[in-house]
Amino acid sequence: DTAVSQTPKYLVTQMGNDKSIKCEQNLGHDTMYWYKQDSKKFLKIMFSYNNKELIINETVPNRFSPKSPDKAHLNLHINSLELGDSAVYFCASSQGGISNQPQHFGDGTRLSIL
Amino acid sequence: GQQVMQIPQYQHVQEGEDFTTYCNSSTTLSNIQWYKQRPGGHPVFLIQLVKSGEVKKQKRLTFQFGEAKKNSSLHITATQTTDVGTYFCAGPAYSGAGSYQLTFGKGTKLSVIP
Repeated sequence: DTAVSQTPKYLVTQMGNDKSIKCEQNLGHDTMYWYKQDSKKFLKIMFSYNNKELIINETVPNRFSPKSPDKAHLNLHINSLELGDSAVYFCASSQGGISNQPQHFGDGTRLSIL
Repeated sequence: GQQVMQIPQYQHVQEGEDFTTYCNSSTTLSNIQWYKQRPGGHPVFLIQLVKSGEVKKQKRLTFQFGEAKKNSSLHITATQTTDVGTYFCAGPAYSGAGSYQLTFGKGTKLSVIP
């Protein structure tokens, strides 16, 4: 009964490859997010998305692109992976406004670039 | 951009000692949220504070929101080894075009020595 599930849990790949991470939530929430957590544990939002609006953090390279087939899914596609992309990527979801609702996180995808 | 500053970055305590982490914002926050991330885990929502001067308790955890709604604290009484993890505060930050994003502090990593 996992509320927010991400796959894969671990992803090891070589520089220059393209990869996708999938996320699904069964909470009925209307907003989903992708966060990047680096080795220092800093948690930075990359994207927030509902069926109306995509908000992109301006610091995110355009090699990263979210894709949402429906409001229960928000996948993250990454082109031309770089060493600096190594991190843990968390998907999250919430209901309604981004700033005043608790967010529910998935278990994370640990991405390692060789 | 707007930031939520959190101190200390690390805290080592003997089991049974108290622990406090502090969160500060340069601007007034409409609300503040607290999350806990266990080692190897994902952030888990603990609580949200909304009102000026609000104090909420969860067993040994006490959360406060400052009168000016620019600072907040989390205090743990008589720490236990189960309290180990990183504690994050998070507040809404204006991201442009009428949108707000949840901005996380850098977290306080708590270690408890048995």
